[in-house]
Parts: sequence; C-alpha cells; structure tokens
Amino acid sequence: EVQVVESGGGLFQPGGSLRLSCAASGFTFSSHWMHWVRQTPGKGLEWVSRVNSDETTTEYADSVKGRFTISRDNAKNTLYLQMNSLRAEDTAVYYCVRGILGPPVAFDLWGPGTMVTVSS
Amino acid sequence: QSALTQPASVSGSPGQSITISCAGSSTDVGAFYYVSWYQQYPGKAPRLLIYDVNKRPSGVSDRFSGSKSGNTASLTISGLQAEDEAHYYCCSYAGVINYVILGGGTAVTVL
Repeated sequence: EVQVVESGGGLFQPGGSLRLSCAASGFTFSSHWMHWVRQTPGKGLEWVSRVNSDETTTEYADSVKGRFTISRDNAKNTLYLQMNSLRAEDTAVYYCVRGILGPPVAFDLWGPGTMVTVSS
Repeated sequence: QSALTQPASVSGSPGQSITISCAGSSTDVGAFYYVSWYQQYPGKAPRLLIYDVNKRPSGVSDRFSGSKSGNTASLTISGLQAEDEAHYYCCSYAGVINYVILGGGTAVTVL
C-alpha cells in the first residue's frame, strides 16, 4: 500500500525539542521531494518545509526558519523534522506530504498526521 | 507572505455548480501555473483534487475542475453532491523565497 505515516508527536514544553518521523512505503521514496505541512486546531493549513529527493536542498517557512530542520534517509524510506525552540504557536497537526513527480509543487500523498502540543 | 484569500463558506443545492475563488498576487497565483486544490473532511488528511491549475489526478471525479485568470484561481464543483460537503484549500507556488502558500480554506455546504 502506498502510504506515509508520521510519528513522534505529543505534549512538549515551550523551548523544548522533538523529532518527527515519517515512514514511507509502497512507492519509490527517493524519487520524490517531501514536505511537512501543519494545521493548527480549527484553522487552515501552513506549509512548513521541504527537502528535495537527494537532500541537497531544503526550504523553510519564515515561521520556522532557524528552529526546524528537515532531513531524510532514503535508505530507510524515512523523512524527519527536527523541531527546536518550540513555541506555543507550533501547536498543530503535522502532516508528512509527498510532492508530485515533475514540478513538485503539489502534494499527492498525505499521512494521517501527528499532533504536536506545545504547552507548559 | 499573506495566505491566499478564499471565501469562508460557499453553499449550493444538490446538482448545482459552485465555484470557490482563490485570490493571490502577481508573485504567486499570477506568476506561476502551479495552483493546486485540496479537499479535507473533518478529522482527515487533505486530498489532492487539482494540480497545475487544471489537471486532475487519477481517481478524482471530473466534476471537479480548476482554472485561473490573472491573480485569481477558481475551483468549480459541478453536479454538487452531499459527499462534496468538506473544506477546500487552494495552494500556489510562490517562488524561491516563499516557496508555497495556502489559502485559508472554504467550507462547502450542500443544502
């Protein structure tokens, strides 16, 4: 089955750190750009970060730049998001998302999401 | 970078057609042919409906169609059905600085 599944969410303190993981299966992971997109409770979607297929380039939303780091391990078919200096406004459901082949600016496979709550 | 502007809600009766607008700027929607649309049911992950303005992935009903004029993109749902009641989000590539921006979402209600 073609899927991506996130893990690593939970309750974390402001200023703390965590690492999200995303296990991919059923497709050639190393061919796709991968993204993290988040959704705050009851609100809309926000693109967070992306990494290209061979991890040579990454990009971040201004809201997370300098605090979050995206990475991937193509041998393990796994995507990561290292989140440091957590803030309350980082509270959201985090989705691991696959970019379409070709110009990778659309997202054709989404995981079920993992909830991250930042609160003291 | 501000989010793309979508109406908060749109409604229609079964069988009707509705259109959801997505207003951007000359640096995102108006600059690139990379607008996509997503459908999201409560508690579920979004699903890709349209990419590259007007292309449908396999498995998406042809009742969904996309278009763009200037800085505004649109999603049209034809032959509205009860199952179309969901939230819809637009998304546009915004260049190397901002990469991707999304709209605030539109709740579609089938009357």
